Amino acid sequence: EVQLVQSGAEAKKPGESLKISCKGSGYSFTNFWIGWVRQMPGKGLELMGIIYPGDSDTRYSPSFQGQVTISADMSISTAYLQWSSLKASDTAMYFCARGPPNDYGANFDYWGQGTLVTVSS
Amino acid sequence: SSELTQDPAVSVALGQTVRITCQGDSLRTYYASWYQQKPGQAPVLVVYGKNNRPSGIPDRFSGSNSGNTASLTITGALAEDEADYYCNSRDSSGRRGVFGTGTKVTVL
Repeated sequence: EVQLVQSGAEAKKPGESLKISCKGSGYSFTNFWIGWVRQMPGKGLELMGIIYPGDSDTRYSPSFQGQVTISADMSISTAYLQWSSLKASDTAMYFCARGPPNDYGANFDYWGQGTLVTVSS
Repeated sequence: SSELTQDPAVSVALGQTVRITCQGDSLRTYYASWYQQKPGQAPVLVVYGKNNRPSGIPDRFSGSNSGNTASLTITGALAEDEADYYCNSRDSSGRRGVFGTGTKVTVL
């Protein structure tokens, strides 16, 4: 059974750093894209970027370039999303999702349960 | 702002048909995929490619494409279909993806 399991909810202060994770199982982790999707409270889905763990090809959506870092560790089938300095506006639910090898940033067939990040002083 | 535009909200009577549209230049080249999201849940893929449904998705969900517009049709809407629906495809660069602005479907 394909599963993406994300790390738990986080409560942080502005300026702090954070790294959240998404562990894949039940499939070949290196052969599928992983996308990170932001959903701010009451708002729509925004694709932040994608990574292909097999060769670490990483592509950021323009709005998120330079704001976050996406990485992956093939040895433990885990993808990461990290911030170096959080802002209150980073408060959101973050989902990871699996995409097919022959598409870039679309057709996400399995999703993690989401990680709620709250940034408040 | 998203490169894929959807109507913010539509309503449909129980048992009737509703079409949700998604417009964007990249849709002239790439197919859209469609997701259903209910409150407090992760999105679920309901249609992808030319008109394909993942296992377990009812056949009342179907997709179509014409020019720069992709459509998701729900034929015989049920109360359980009330949700937010998002389209998704590649962006204008073709190297990344983008989600549509989302449509809230209300079943009356």
